[in-house]
Amino acid sequence: QQPVQSPQAVILREGEDAVINCSSSKALYSVHWYRQKHGEAPVFLMILLKGGEQKGHEKISASFNEKKQQSSLYLTASQLSYSGTYFCGTRKGETSGSRLTFGEGTQLTVNP
Amino acid sequence: DTEVTQTPKHLVMGMTNKKSLKCEQHMGHRAMYWYKQKAKKPPELMFVYSYEKLSINESVPSRFSPECPNSSLLNLHLHALQPEDSALYLCASSQGRRELRNEQFFGPGTRLTVL
Repeated sequence: QQPVQSPQAVILREGEDAVINCSSSKALYSVHWYRQKHGEAPVFLMILLKGGEQKGHEKISASFNEKKQQSSLYLTASQLSYSGTYFCGTRKGETSGSRLTFGEGTQLTVNP
Repeated sequence: DTEVTQTPKHLVMGMTNKKSLKCEQHMGHRAMYWYKQKAKKPPELMFVYSYEKLSINESVPSRFSPECPNSSLLNLHLHALQPEDSALYLCASSQGRRELRNEQFFGPGTRLTVL
């Protein structure tokens, strides 16, 4: 089942902060965050695991509320390079063979 | 080497053609994936190979035929495609072991146009 992302789009000025949310109606094992720039491959940003462990990008933080099956990605002091579409992907199992299902994406634009 | 490579970058084919997409990784990953991505949409899973065996087929039409000749290579054979199959085809890989860190590394994709 596809996770729901919000907002669909956000426009920032350089230096501003943004929060992107991802929620699921099903119990999750992990939440993955990716950024995709136009015409490029998705790039891994962060993984949040059931139980609180997280691994990923130094300058980007995220949270995972297991009770609510919600994750938020926090982009602080945004830079022009942060522009792109952000996808959250959710997994219900812990093996690599389990499906990673992506949300519809949040388009982030950072202007000078 | 932390790269997934895909060839060709672009492919234009007619509905009667047979072509193949190729994906390669040398990170020692044992899980490999094919995704299809339409414009302004998220990647949509097609197939998963785990330890060179097909573990997930997301009810993909038989005109798409995956193949995993070895742990580093993944092919997608295309035959009798339809114009609506035009999309970006992404390959990805992950470690494949039963462990916590299972991020997927994506290749740059093949932009496929079916005429």
